[in-house]
Amino acid sequence: DAKTTQPNSMESNEEEPVHLPCNHSTISGTDYIHWYRQLPSQGPEYVIHGLTSNVNNRMASLAIAEDRKSSTLILHRATLRDAAVYYCILRRAGTASKLTFGTGTRLQVTL
Amino acid sequence: DVKVTQSSRYLVKRTGEKVFLECVQDMDHENMFWYRQDPGLGLRLIYFSYDVKMKEKGDIPEGYSVSREKKERFSLILESASTNQTSMYLCASSFRGSGANVLTFGAGSRLTVL
Repeated sequence: DAKTTQPNSMESNEEEPVHLPCNHSTISGTDYIHWYRQLPSQGPEYVIHGLTSNVNNRMASLAIAEDRKSSTLILHRATLRDAAVYYCILRRAGTASKLTFGTGTRLQVTL
Repeated sequence: DVKVTQSSRYLVKRTGEKVFLECVQDMDHENMFWYRQDPGLGLRLIYFSYDVKMKEKGDIPEGYSVSREKKERFSLILESASTNQTSMYLCASSFRGSGANVLTFGAGSRLTVL
């Protein structure tokens, strides 16, 4: 399965945009890019996913590079409640699709 | 509105005990997963199942087994608990097939083995 690489940690000021990068240079054509986040003392929750085109939802935007070897999760206005660990993973179609998470990026948001 | 329920939020067991961690989902998902999470190591996949009675090893299956007798229930079994199995255990589920299918996680079960 293709792996992803993310920075260990990032910091942001409240009310400012945050760009969380993810590298996935060995991505295959059928791999979807998924982002999840884990708030303190909770299980991870889904944020957004995409295949080739940029995606927007109420939580965030996902920008996917043209060659698909990297992507960026964009939080348009960070709040203190966005402080979490953000995971970027690749999801392949198929019955027995093993899903591997890395260590993610710990986002700190300060006033 | 809880969709993936893990039976125990906190457990304390003794070395050598048999431990069952239960996970139930109400979304009719085919796929179910068990992860463990340790500081600095992220989420590591223990086992997953893509159908009733089917199971596949993940990255760290040693010391664990699983059972999937019904579609909605996926159990993680520690046959003889050891202190190095002290961890947070997370269950997740999803529809199978498309890579667009998202995962839904439970709240986690924190296991301490003394």
